Amino acid sequence: AQTVTQSQPEMSVQEAETVTLSCTYDTSESDYYLFWYKQPPSRQMILVIRQEAYKQQNATENRFSVNFQKAAKSFSLKISDSQLGDAAMYFCAYRSSLTQGGSEKLVFGKGTKLTVNP
Amino acid sequence: GAVVSQHPSRVICKSGTSVKIECRSLDFQATTMFWYRQFPKKSLMLMATSNEGSKATYEQGVEKDKFLINHASLTLSTLTVTSAHPEDSSFYICSAREVGRREFFGPGTRLTVL
Repeated sequence: AQTVTQSQPEMSVQEAETVTLSCTYDTSESDYYLFWYKQPPSRQMILVIRQEAYKQQNATENRFSVNFQKAAKSFSLKISDSQLGDAAMYFCAYRSSLTQGGSEKLVFGKGTKLTVNP
Repeated sequence: GAVVSQHPSRVICKSGTSVKIECRSLDFQATTMFWYRQFPKKSLMLMATSNEGSKATYEQGVEKDKFLINHASLTLSTLTVTSAHPEDSSFYICSAREVGRREFFGPGTRLTVL
């Protein structure tokens, strides 16, 4: 079974600075998807960024980018120019590719609580 | 983007009663819906996966007779917590997927059992 590990329970960053959240995963599959979700105090899960394993290029969404290292099974999230609104729980998640007969379900890490200091 | 709603957003009930939570996909047909449970300051724990028109697949350790899931249409799934007890108090989140598309999450339902 696949597992996702987030080794940083809490992180803090100064407003306008850059922070990197770590995520590693374990799988024997070659094709899969990786996600970062944000859960603010409202508890609504918001997709931040998504990476397809077969794509070597790291995904980027405005101030959010990932460092995807497939061989190392690492998928870190970099937040640039941090804003107060970035404060939230961040969850890394894994999903198998259906083309390989994998499960549709998301496997979540335990989360990292990000605090942004003004 | 696609929207998933949940109703009610909050519910308080007495121990021993049953509570139904609805999850609706508002602008797409959800072939698959998921139900999660989240304890305070914890991650999401998948309870079950339901496909429209078929029985839900429950995760190990989740009591199917206690947490009844129905996915009767492509836009609606319900979770019924039967004979609720205080330990069932939690935050329940649903999500929905259309074939070939990503998952969208509902806003969650906070259940408090007195």
